[in-house]
Amino acid sequence: KQEVTQIPAALSVPEGENLVLNCSFTDSAIYNLQWFRQDPGKGLTSLLLIQSSQREQTSGRLNASLDKSSGRSTLYIAASQPGDSATYLCAVRPEDTNAGKSTFGDGTTLTVKP
Amino acid sequence: DVKVTQSSRYLVKRTGEKVFLECVQDMDHENMFWYRQDPGLGLRLIYFSYDVKMKEKGDIPEGYSVSREKKERFSLILESASTNQTSMYLCASSLGYGIAITYNEQFFGPGTRLTVL
Repeated sequence: KQEVTQIPAALSVPEGENLVLNCSFTDSAIYNLQWFRQDPGKGLTSLLLIQSSQREQTSGRLNASLDKSSGRSTLYIAASQPGDSATYLCAVRPEDTNAGKSTFGDGTTLTVKP
Repeated sequence: DVKVTQSSRYLVKRTGEKVFLECVQDMDHENMFWYRQDPGLGLRLIYFSYDVKMKEKGDIPEGYSVSREKKERFSLILESASTNQTSMYLCASSLGYGIAITYNEQFFGPGTRLTVL
């Protein structure tokens, strides 16, 4: 059974700092990995999706990498801003399903202090 | 942009009531999902559907049922609501397997905060 772990559970940084969020998974037979952002009391917003054949994806100040063999992904946030404060979740979709059933991590709650 | 909408943001129901949570997506996605999210337990899959009238149980289907009569709409039903079903319910959708254009990205609705008294 796939297990997805995100460490640390919470992170607090000063504004302007570059930071890395971690996501690890136990079964490397994945179809893709997706990073989400969730604001308190809201739904999940998709940030980046990496296919199993890709190494990284970039969107603005965000860069997500994938090392499938070691079961790890990182989300790099450059020049953090208070508006980046949210919970960040990763989700791994396995190869052997036709419906995209994913396993989610518990998330890292990020606080960026002005 | 993909849009996933849920019928209510907040809902308060009594124990024993039958509860319907509706989810609609406007991008012709094959796959639709219902999750619940609880502090300390993360996001857990209740049911998913990969086509009209098709459904499969997720990790925690007990006490729930679903209906998908039309491709754009996926309903979650609590036959007899109980206090332990108080939670945030999230609906999501994605394209079907093998459709590579968007790599099967999942899109979420805003969530329904359900309280069962």
